[in-house]
Amino acid sequence: DGGITQSPKYLFRKEGQNVTLSCEQNLNHDAMYWYRQDPGQGLRLIYYSQIVNDFQKGDIAEGYSVSREKKESFPLTVTSAQKNPTAFYLCASSIGREGDGYTFGSGTRLTVV
Amino acid sequence: DAKTTQPPSMDCAEGRAANLPCNHSTISGNEYVYWYRQIHSQGPQYIIHGLKNNETNEMASLIITEDRKSSTLILPHATLRDTAVYYCIAGGGSTLGRLYFGRGTQLTVWP
Repeated sequence: DGGITQSPKYLFRKEGQNVTLSCEQNLNHDAMYWYRQDPGQGLRLIYYSQIVNDFQKGDIAEGYSVSREKKESFPLTVTSAQKNPTAFYLCASSIGREGDGYTFGSGTRLTVV
Repeated sequence: DAKTTQPPSMDCAEGRAANLPCNHSTISGNEYVYWYRQIHSQGPQYIIHGLKNNETNEMASLIITEDRKSSTLILPHATLRDTAVYYCIAGGGSTLGRLYFGRGTQLTVWP
């Protein structure tokens, strides 16, 4: 079955360390997105990519980095510059055409210890 | 993307219809109305979307007013498993495809 996979489901990081969250999709979608969700809040866009080798900052990109070397993969690195990284991270993909919705992964919960 | 306004919480008896309202008064002509829901600690699940016409699928119905400034998501026979946060989003009208998720409506279905 086609879908979008995020790993790991839970991740613990020490302060000052970089960590990379994986997002893989086999839906042949062109566009991919990373969102952050804090308790009781909506989703905030971190980065998005419309095509391979191209990506744009979202609303809260500071302290994060991404790459899009393959259509299927859009990993997110949470760097030590991110001051409050503990959150629930969601990856999504879409065909990228007007009117198309998103398919979401199941999320990664990152906790800084 | 146009911003949306939803009530923070609603409840509904099991087996009854749940009608979730959403205001999107600044929606532009090429923006769609999407509905997603999120069960705690899971990724949001797509429910339905529409542009102008009312839409229905196996999960729900979407009623969009003629002026497109508001819409209602209808779950015809709510079950306990429909308890979730429901997000109404107005956007997706360009090739950018960015969707803005607000805080949504916490729907609680009680037995």
